[in-house]
Amino acid sequence: DAGVTQSPTHLIKTRGQHVTLRCSPISGHKSVSWYQQVLGQGPQFIFQYYEKEERGRGNFPDRFSARQFPNYSSELNVNALLLGDSALYLCASNGQGTLNYGYTFGSGTRLTVV
Amino acid sequence: AQSVTQLDSHVSVSEGTPVLLRCNYSSSYSPSLFWYVQHPNKGLQLLLKYTSAATLVKGINGFEAEFKKSETSFHLTKPSAHMSDAAEYFCVVSGGNQGGKLIFGQGTELSVKP
Repeated sequence: DAGVTQSPTHLIKTRGQHVTLRCSPISGHKSVSWYQQVLGQGPQFIFQYYEKEERGRGNFPDRFSARQFPNYSSELNVNALLLGDSALYLCASNGQGTLNYGYTFGSGTRLTVV
Repeated sequence: AQSVTQLDSHVSVSEGTPVLLRCNYSSSYSPSLFWYVQHPNKGLQLLLKYTSAATLVKGINGFEAEFKKSETSFHLTKPSAHMSDAAEYFCVVSGGNQGGKLIFGQGTELSVKP
């Protein structure tokens, strides 16, 4: 069975540009969450979606937005990129939208802003 | 508010000796607690989870953790380290009433010497 898949795996963007990151959850999983992991730190929560509705939002500026599609895949969009947005962006899926089952993470998208 | 503190940023052990990675948590609610492992350039893998059942939790690859409410601790242990255990380990607490939000510690890098 395919796990959580993220695309692209790596990308380089210039300051001020926009980026879209994509995530496909495990088949049947209805909840998707996004995390940002800056080098040397633990992941920080950005968004959670369950059944296409936003269930939680972390302390990130409005430049960050996300959505979930009818097939439960998700996009994370970041506008007006800053150098500080350089990080590993992780997507995680969960079958129930609650924590009792844990989250399965993808391998991430490494974003470099130059 | 929920938080988690990993008491060691780096732990070094010899192959075949015990592993202890320390984690203290703070939570206003009855928490769910997790340990995740991250190998270089890889995503996060769930090692084990505590969700108010048995206080001694067994995970994959011989790891286990004990939930101690009186000490607000959730330390990760393994009787005998293997070279393949070298990785970054994250202690994680649930975000209480914030749905699926996971709060990560800063991580502990485990080195295993031959």
